[in-house]
Amino acid sequence: GAVVSQHPSWVICKSGTSVKIECRSLDFQATTMFWYRQFPKQSLMLMATSNEGSKATYEQGVEKDKFLINHASLTLSTLTVTSAHPEDSSFYICSARDGGRGFLGEQYFGPGTRLTVT
Amino acid sequence: ELKVEQNPLFLSMQEGKNYTIYCNYSTTSDRLYWYRQDPGKSLESLFVLLSNGAVKQEGRLMASLDTKARLSTLHITAAVHDLSATYFCAVDSSNNDMRFGAGTRLTVKP
Repeated sequence: GAVVSQHPSWVICKSGTSVKIECRSLDFQATTMFWYRQFPKQSLMLMATSNEGSKATYEQGVEKDKFLINHASLTLSTLTVTSAHPEDSSFYICSARDGGRGFLGEQYFGPGTRLTVT
Repeated sequence: ELKVEQNPLFLSMQEGKNYTIYCNYSTTSDRLYWYRQDPGKSLESLFVLLSNGAVKQEGRLMASLDTKARLSTLHITAAVHDLSATYFCAVDSSNNDMRFGAGTRLTVKP
């Protein structure tokens, strides 16, 4: 089946620094990738939709200058948390939609990245 | 805006019992998903339901979809401890993204 990887799986950083998280589709091309954030014991909240070669679309309330998304190729999207603060500590999950099947392509989820900001 | 509601949010069951989790959504959608999440892990896909009346079964779990009522159910038969997890339903929106329910935290007790 389709595989999506994320790197790193966990990261601890100091307040004020920036952290980059990578999301890769390993065996399919993903024209669209999604970034979610999940706080403890809560559901997944969509942060932004990333389309290859274009600017990401951010959900209301998500700061685009703080959460920089780049989708430079059909298999890679990156999320950079700039000037991280403790409240940014969360579980970040990406997903990728199989572009080979167009709009009907199923989303496949990565294993998640746990970010802790100290 | 598409809203997805799940109930119950918490469910404690005895092993061997049956129960149903409900998922309602507010606008027409092409697809409904059920996922399982274990603590500290990402999502595991359980079912993808594509059409009205769709029913899928895997082991002790069975999912159904009624697009007219905008309702999906996840039925658990003869629960076992290994089914303890959080279950999410999710729906494709018209924006090509996916919206999640709040999740149902299931605990199966011996």
